[in-house]
Amino acid sequence: AQSVTQLDSQVPVFEEAPVELRCNYSSSVSVYLFWYVQYPNQGLQLLLKYLSGSTLVKGINGFEAEFNKSQTSFHLRKPSVHISDTAEYFCAVSDSGDDKIIFGKGTRLHILP
Amino acid sequence: NAGVTQTPKFQVLKTGQSMTLQCAQDMNHEYMSWYRQDPGMGLRLIHYSVGAGITDQGEVPNGYNVSRSTTEDFPLRLLSAAPSQTSVYFCASSYSTIQPNEKLFFGSGTQLSVL
Repeated sequence: AQSVTQLDSQVPVFEEAPVELRCNYSSSVSVYLFWYVQYPNQGLQLLLKYLSGSTLVKGINGFEAEFNKSQTSFHLRKPSVHISDTAEYFCAVSDSGDDKIIFGKGTRLHILP
Repeated sequence: NAGVTQTPKFQVLKTGQSMTLQCAQDMNHEYMSWYRQDPGMGLRLIHYSVGAGITDQGEVPNGYNVSRSTTEDFPLRLLSAAPSQTSVYFCASSYSTIQPNEKLFFGSGTQLSVL
């Protein structure tokens, strides 16, 4: 069964500094990868997704992620964070041919002033 | 469009009681799913449906039942609530069940406490 590992439960970062949130998935022939964000007391919304093609995916709010098949990783990056990026970020994966979307445990991003 | 609507927003149950969490979407989405969110556990898939009349189990289906009689509605039933079912429940839907998955649209959640 597919699984997702988010290596950091919390990441503190100073405002305007870069950030990387790490995500690894269990190996599969073909996968689809997603990052979702959950702002306080809200549901989740899609940041970006990788389906095929270019391994660098750009999403909303200045976020991007890079698919690395050899390392089975899909890390999320932003070059300069803002206080409004304070949220919990979830990596998710779906195997090709499978209707289940499996989420990681989430990473809380704390922006320090 | 209302999107994905979940009711109620909050619910307190006693152990052994039954209840149904409602989920409705007005986007004509084929795919609907239920997740529970617990601290430190992320979101775990309970059940999902790829269309009316079709449901399947997710990662943590025990203690929950679902049915999908219409495209719009996907209720989640707890037949005999247990304290371990205290959680925040999210319903999510997407347009297509054909791979690749389209993005999921999430409801605002139901916070359930079982005493």
